[in-house]
Amino acid sequence: QSVLTQPPSASGTPGQRVTISCSGGSSNIGSNTVNWYQQLPGTAPKLVNYNNNQRPSGVPDRFSGSKSGTSASLAISGLQSEDEADYYCATWDDSLNGRVFGGGTKLTVL
Amino acid sequence: QVQLQQWGAGLLKPSETLSLTCAVYGGSFSGYYWSWIRQPPGKGLEWIGDISHSGGTSYNPSLKSRVTISLDTSKNQFFLKLNSVTAADTAVYYCSRGGGTYYVVYFQQWGQGTLVTVSS
Repeated sequence: QSVLTQPPSASGTPGQRVTISCSGGSSNIGSNTVNWYQQLPGTAPKLVNYNNNQRPSGVPDRFSGSKSGTSASLAISGLQSEDEADYYCATWDDSLNGRVFGGGTKLTVL
Repeated sequence: QVQLQQWGAGLLKPSETLSLTCAVYGGSFSGYYWSWIRQPPGKGLEWIGDISHSGGTSYNPSLKSRVTISLDTSKNQFFLKLNSVTAADTAVYYCSRGGGTYYVVYFQQWGQGTLVTVSS
């Protein structure tokens, strides 16, 4: 059971905008920045957003992150079939004194 | 572009020690955090721990008593040892290079992953 809560699944059709949420508490999201990772089937995760809303070089601007209070979200606009993957949020937890991941959200492109 | 290549034994018996190596190509250790993350089959990601370029370590409290992460800058490699493994340690293990600062490390590059199975 992760301290960061994500919906197990999300879906959308090509071209749509979808949002994946990540809910935490004052000891994690509330006081630290959030990063997001995309994991395509059978591959290593890939960083798609860091420090709440920064995009690594090479990541399309369709991916945007945000944070408010003790929750964060990753929005994907102009959904494409290649976006179908598992997505994980992550941050530091002051109480646990360690890095924590959300349970992951499986995004399906219908 | 930095690349991480990892290797180690893929099949262990209960109580044995898991040992993995991650080699870093095309980059230096300076200024980064070097981490290990694992993923049990069909499950989510779990942070194991990391080591800074200067050798300072941070471990997942749930694994701390069994984990050692070290580095050899002369060989551009870092290492994971996990003692007294059980079936619950069966997972794909990833090495990673992290940017940022201590509380805000983000995993920028990842190794290809190594499946480690613990079975008698």
